[in-house]
Amino acid sequence: EVQLVQSGAEVKKPGESLKISCKGFGYSFTSYWIGWVRQMPGKGLEWMGIVYPGDSDTRNSPSFQGQVTTSADKSISTAYLQWSSLKASDTAMYYCARVHRRSYCFDYWGQGTLVTVSS
Amino acid sequence: QSALTQPPSASGSPGQSVTISCTGTSSDVGGYNYVSWYQQHPDKAPKLMIYDVIKRPSGVPDRFSGSKSGNTASLTVSGLQAEDEADYYCSSYAGSDSWVFGGGTKLTVL
Repeated sequence: EVQLVQSGAEVKKPGESLKISCKGFGYSFTSYWIGWVRQMPGKGLEWMGIVYPGDSDTRNSPSFQGQVTTSADKSISTAYLQWSSLKASDTAMYYCARVHRRSYCFDYWGQGTLVTVSS
Repeated sequence: QSALTQPPSASGSPGQSVTISCTGTSSDVGGYNYVSWYQQHPDKAPKLMIYDVIKRPSGVPDRFSGSKSGNTASLTVSGLQAEDEADYYCSSYAGSDSWVFGGGTKLTVL
């Protein structure tokens, strides 16, 4: 069974750094892109970027370019999303999702990681 | 990239049909047959309901169907049931390894 399991909720202060994770189970982790999606409180879904665990290649949405970094460690089937300096506006739920190979959709989703940034 | 346009809300009574639209441009919805739809219940992760405009993943009831005409895609839910009440998001591949989502539609079963 395909599963994506994300790290737990985080509470951080503005200016702090953070790295959240997404671990894949039940499939060949290195053969599928992993996408990251933001959902701000009470708002819709926003595509942030993708990472290919096979070679750590990445693509980022222009809206998030320079704001976050996506990466992966194929040895432990884990993808990451990280910030070097959080802002209050980064408060949101963050989802990872597997990109379907041929259909350009997100077929399996993690449970989400809630990031709260507050002084 | 601008978000795809969805109506904020839709509603129907049990057993009825409801259609949710998703309007984009020739650079996303109109340019690719890679429109997908996601269902999200409160405090839950999104779930894939439709992909490749018209295809249903295994386990998704055939009450859910998709279509596309030009730059507008649609999701139709037939035979509405109480458990269909949720937020629905469309998404389209937009070329160059990029995606765009719609703003979401809250479906209420009256």
